[in-house]
Amino acid sequence: DVKVTQSSRYLVKRTGEKVFLECVQDMDHENMFWYRQDPGLGLRLIYFSYDVKMKEKGDIPEGYSVSREKKERFSLILESASTNQTSMYLCATQGASTNTEAFFGQGTRLTVV
Amino acid sequence: AQSVTQLGSHVSVSEGALVLLRCNYSSSVPPYLFWYVQYPNQGLQLLLKYTSAATLVKGINGFEAEFKKSETSFHLTKPSAHMSDAAEYFCAVSDGGGSNYKLTFGKGTLLTVNP
Repeated sequence: DVKVTQSSRYLVKRTGEKVFLECVQDMDHENMFWYRQDPGLGLRLIYFSYDVKMKEKGDIPEGYSVSREKKERFSLILESASTNQTSMYLCATQGASTNTEAFFGQGTRLTVV
Repeated sequence: AQSVTQLGSHVSVSEGALVLLRCNYSSSVPPYLFWYVQYPNQGLQLLLKYTSAATLVKGINGFEAEFKKSETSFHLTKPSAHMSDAAEYFCAVSDGGGSNYKLTFGKGTLLTVNP
């Protein structure tokens, strides 16, 4: 079974804090993604990575950065958390073949107060 | 650019009734299409996928979807709803070319099943 593990299920952080969300996969997948999910808006892509140390902006990268130092780990960083970043964050992985599905972690529900 | 439209943000059916969740896509090349389900406070789980083989795709939990190129649709159906089907459903498309392997998701349809 594919396993995509997000470090926290629930997080509460204060405005202005630097926040790290970690995602680890055990499937040796090349592609990894960070989405945020908000009611009525579906899933929106923040950043993705197709190789170690490679990253590309998704649709809503503002206020976020990412790091991929190892193939199995993809981190999302909120440099200075704001209340409008309160959301559900989902990590996903995908093999290199274009017709393969993405596998998702359980999600991290982040609240910024 | 690829896009997905899910018609109806909320669908309510009675237990035992037909489930029909609508998805239309836009893609400049033959697409790969996916349906995912999300139960409360969980990640997304793949229901089924279309990858240019058979146009009628069967998935888990009795769901199936039909790819109709002329209608640019990939609607999800289940003949008889069960209480356990209550969840949010997402349609997704991938162009599959170059850096476009990433999935673009619709906004989701919340399915409610009434006893």
